[in-house]
Amino acid sequence: KQEVTQIPAALSVPEGENLVLNCSFTDSAIYNLQWFRQDPGKGLTSLLLIQSSQREQTSGRLNASLDKSSGRSTLYIAASQPGDSATYLCAVPSSGGYQKVTFGTGTKLQVIP
Amino acid sequence: ETGVTQTPRHLVMGMTNKKSLKCEQHLGHNAMYWYKQSAKKPLELMFVYNFKEQTENNSVPSRFSPECPNSSHLFLHLHTLQPEDSALYLCASSQANGGAGGETQYFGPGTRLLVL
Repeated sequence: KQEVTQIPAALSVPEGENLVLNCSFTDSAIYNLQWFRQDPGKGLTSLLLIQSSQREQTSGRLNASLDKSSGRSTLYIAASQPGDSATYLCAVPSSGGYQKVTFGTGTKLQVIP
Repeated sequence: ETGVTQTPRHLVMGMTNKKSLKCEQHLGHNAMYWYKQSAKKPLELMFVYNFKEQTENNSVPSRFSPECPNSSHLFLHLHTLQPEDSALYLCASSQANGGAGGETQYFGPGTRLLVL
């Protein structure tokens, strides 16, 4: 059974800092890995999707890397802004089916102006 | 706006009530999902539908009954719920590609359910 862990659970940084969020998973036979953000009381917004054959993806100030062999992914946020405050979730399809997605518990980020 | 809408946004119900949650996607996708998000727990997949057919039931109690009349609409019928069923219920859709990779799920805003 796939298990997804995210560290740290919460993070508070001053505006402008670069930061790294971590995601680890136990079953490396994944189709892809996806990073989402969730604002309080709202649904999820997809940020980046890395296919299993890729090692990283970039979108603006966000860069996500994937190391399947070690079961790890990182989300790098450059020059953080207060608008980046949210919970960040990583998600991987389990070996039980590519649509059977397992989510981590998330990292709650607060960027202080 | 992600193209996935959910109604109602908030719902309070007693344990003997029957209610339904509705999800509609305007993205032309062929797969739809129900997830449950409880406090302090990871998002849990409940059901998956592909081309209106249920393809995943993640050991969900029978007091939750999904219905998918077409590829654009998904319902979750609720009856005799328990207080521990209180949670945020999220709907998502995607364009299923048979596992070729790169399948992004688009989420609705969720229904916040409180069972008294």
